[in-house]
Amino acid sequence: DIQMTQSPSTLSASVGDRVTITCRASQSISSWLAWFQQIPGKAPKLLIYKASSLESGVPSRFSGSGSGTEFTLTISSLQPDDFATYYCQQYTGYPLTFGGGTKVEIK
Amino acid sequence: EVQLVESGGGLVQPGGSLRLSCAASGFTLSDHYMDWVRQAPVKGLEWVARSRNKPNSYTTEYAASVKGRFTISRDDSKNSLFLQMNSLETEDTAVYYCVRSDSSGYVRYWGQGTLVTVSS
Repeated sequence: DIQMTQSPSTLSASVGDRVTITCRASQSISSWLAWFQQIPGKAPKLLIYKASSLESGVPSRFSGSGSGTEFTLTISSLQPDDFATYYCQQYTGYPLTFGGGTKVEIK
Repeated sequence: EVQLVESGGGLVQPGGSLRLSCAASGFTLSDHYMDWVRQAPVKGLEWVARSRNKPNSYTTEYAASVKGRFTISRDDSKNSLFLQMNSLETEDTAVYYCVRSDSSGYVRYWGQGTLVTVSS
């Protein structure tokens, strides 16, 4: 199985901060990576697919980069709605696997 | 608008069975890959099972943790996806999400989830 490791597990930041979350794969997954946002009590929401493609309707302050085994999700200017948990997912093979999540908290 | 509405969750004893349903609307079910993804309380996300679309003969995939116990199926005429869960274990306790995936593999749309609790 491909293991997905996210860092940090928790991040404290303020409104307006630039935030970067890292996701590492245990083997190369090319660009077959997606990012999701989950607000407590809600279902996850797709933000980014194919490592850097922005899902329709997602604000442009979200961006993704990387390929192979190392990927990043960047929020250019953190907004109040962005305090949530973020997950990466690889989809190069089965089983599909998710990272453990990064919780973005208010500083 | 894509909508996915799960039902069928509840409390079941270890060793018991439960069948989850997902009512899909806003798209043609047979055109799309459909999955179940679960999330144990205060835990991360775990992919459970996949049903490929009609062009891919509705073939299925399962996570090792559920293979042989869970069965994913669909009824395209009723726009419904199902998850038959047998021999349930306490570790199966989770919110189960019905999801529609892109044919390249990523999860695109999520239902609101249904809670399954396995406990004596």
